[in-house]
Amino acid sequence: AQTVTQSQPEMSVQEAETVTLSCTYDTSESDYYLFWYKQPPSRQMILVIRQEAYKQQNATENRFSVNFQKAAKSFSLKISDSQLGDAAMYFCAYRSAPGTGANSKLTFGKGITLSVRP
Amino acid sequence: DGGITQSPKYLFRKEGQNVTLSCEQNLNHDAMYWYRQDPGQGLRLIYYSQIVNDFQKGDIAEGYSVSREKKESFPLTVTSAQKNPTAFYLCASSGRTESTYNEQFFGPGTRLTVL
Repeated sequence: AQTVTQSQPEMSVQEAETVTLSCTYDTSESDYYLFWYKQPPSRQMILVIRQEAYKQQNATENRFSVNFQKAAKSFSLKISDSQLGDAAMYFCAYRSAPGTGANSKLTFGKGITLSVRP
Repeated sequence: DGGITQSPKYLFRKEGQNVTLSCEQNLNHDAMYWYRQDPGQGLRLIYYSQIVNDFQKGDIAEGYSVSREKKESFPLTVTSAQKNPTAFYLCASSGRTESTYNEQFFGPGTRLTVL
């Protein structure tokens, strides 16, 4: 079974600075998807960014980018130019690739609470 | 607008009572999921369904039941057998197109409190 580990329960960043959230995972599969979800105080889960394991290029979405290290099974999220609205809980998640015979469920880490200092 | 609705937003239950949480989606998604969120635990999968009239247990299915009679609906019943039901419950759905990476879309959640 796959596992996802987010070892830092909380982090803080100064507004306009850059912060990196860590995530590691364990799997024996070669093809899979990785996601970062954001959960603000409203508790609505929002997809921030996704990465396919077979793609070597790191995904980028505006101020959000990932550092995907497949061999190390590491998937960190970098937030540049942090804004007050970035304050939220962030979850890393893993999903097996379609067609592998595995189901479509997501496995989540325990999350990290990010606070942004004005 | 397309999306997922969950009702009610807050739900209170007396011990020993069953309660049903509603989840409806108009995204034409095949798969639907129920997660439970507790402080410091992340999201844990309760049940999921990849097609109408079929569903599978997740990691913490004991004390819960579901049905999937319609593509749009996936209600979750919290039974009296669930020993610690107070939690935040999230419903999600996903499509099957490769272009969307089977991204899961989430509803706004239901906060269940057992009195």
